Amino acid sequence: EPEVTQTPSHQVTQMGQEVILRCVPISNHLYFYWYRQILGQKVEFLVSFYNNEISEKSEIFDDQFSVERPDGSNFTLKIRSTKLEDSAMYFCASSHGPPAYEQYFGPGTRLTVT
Amino acid sequence: GQQLNQSPQSMFIQEGEDVSMNCTSSSIFNTWLWYKQDPGEGPVLLIALYKAGELTSNGRLTAQFGITRKDSFLNISASIPSDVGIYFCAGRPLGKLQFGAGTQVVVTP
Repeated sequence: EPEVTQTPSHQVTQMGQEVILRCVPISNHLYFYWYRQILGQKVEFLVSFYNNEISEKSEIFDDQFSVERPDGSNFTLKIRSTKLEDSAMYFCASSHGPPAYEQYFGPGTRLTVT
Repeated sequence: GQQLNQSPQSMFIQEGEDVSMNCTSSSIFNTWLWYKQDPGEGPVLLIALYKAGELTSNGRLTAQFGITRKDSFLNISASIPSDVGIYFCAGRPLGKLQFGAGTQVVVTP
């Protein structure tokens, strides 16, 4: 069964450093998403991406964040200058249709900013 | 802003018992999705609902999209130990998917 994959599973970085989180969405899906989950809290939407552009973003997704689909399979989230409060699980998701369709989540990347 | 409330926050049940949880929103939703999350893993989609009044089953799981389009419930029948985890509702009014705070289910033998 196809699934969303994410790398790395755990990333430790120092405050102020740039990180890139990588995702490979399900191959025939057209819509891609990033979510964040701070430990013990609910999943929060960051951004959705379709047709090579951002279709929606939350207030969390400020200028420090960017997304890219550099090739036909990868979808990346970049945080330019990490802050302590960026420590969280970051989940990539994809769906075949618009956001109302079922979204399938990857296993997540645990980001720890020290 | 839109409010999405999920209850109960946690449930401690005995194996074999049924479990029921629900979500309510302050606005009309077009989609309700129910996910289960195990510790350290990503949410796994259980059931998707698209129409008011829709009742959908997936094995021992049953979920319904409320008639008012402002609520949804998830039932788990005859719970087993592997049902342990956090269950999230997620809904979409317009635009981004919003998640509830989760219901932690603990099943004791």
